[in-house]
Amino acid sequence: LAKTTQPISMDSYEGQEVNITCSHNNIATNDYITWYQQFPSQGPRFIIQGYKTKVTNEVASLFIPADRKSSTLSLPRVSLSDTAVYYCLVGSQGSSNTGKLIFGQGTTLQVKP
Amino acid sequence: DGGITQSPKYLFRKEGQNVTLSCEQNLNHDAMYWYRQDPGQGLRLIYYSQIVNDFQKGDIAEGYSVSREKKESFPLTVTSAQKNPTAFYLCASSIERGAGGEQFFGPGTRLTVL
Repeated sequence: LAKTTQPISMDSYEGQEVNITCSHNNIATNDYITWYQQFPSQGPRFIIQGYKTKVTNEVASLFIPADRKSSTLSLPRVSLSDTAVYYCLVGSQGSSNTGKLIFGQGTTLQVKP
Repeated sequence: DGGITQSPKYLFRKEGQNVTLSCEQNLNHDAMYWYRQDPGQGLRLIYYSQIVNDFQKGDIAEGYSVSREKKESFPLTVTSAQKNPTAFYLCASSIERGAGGEQFFGPGTRLTVL
């Protein structure tokens, strides 16, 4: 499974756009990129998943350059309730590598008023 | 409502005791997972099961055991052999039997060894 690298923490203010970048230099051809959000004392929640270019849903966008060695999660107009830890994962669907799923330390986003 | 449940929410155990954490899902998912999370850390995979009556060790399986007798249930037993069991335990399930598939998480069980 490809290893990912994210910033440990980020600060932002309400109403701003936040971009969190994840590096995954060893991503394999069959790998997808998935982002999760976790609030304290809760289980992570799926945010978005993509393979290439751009994916957008009702809460976020995911930008993936052509070489796929990195990806950027974009949160538009954050609010205080977006304060959480964000995890970037890389893996292939149907893979036999499930035993090596790695969440890492994630990025702690602090949104200030 | 479809979802994944864990019980109890808080669990206290004396040293030397085995305890079992419950995980139930009604999402009809084949794959289920158990993770451990320590303060300020990411999740680490303990065990996973891709189908009934089958399960595999994750990265930190020592001191833990699981069973998968029913599709909807995947209980985790923390044995006395686990040297440092105090942690937050999360159960998850997914349709896709692989790392790339979306995983749905339960609310977690916080285990404290007294």
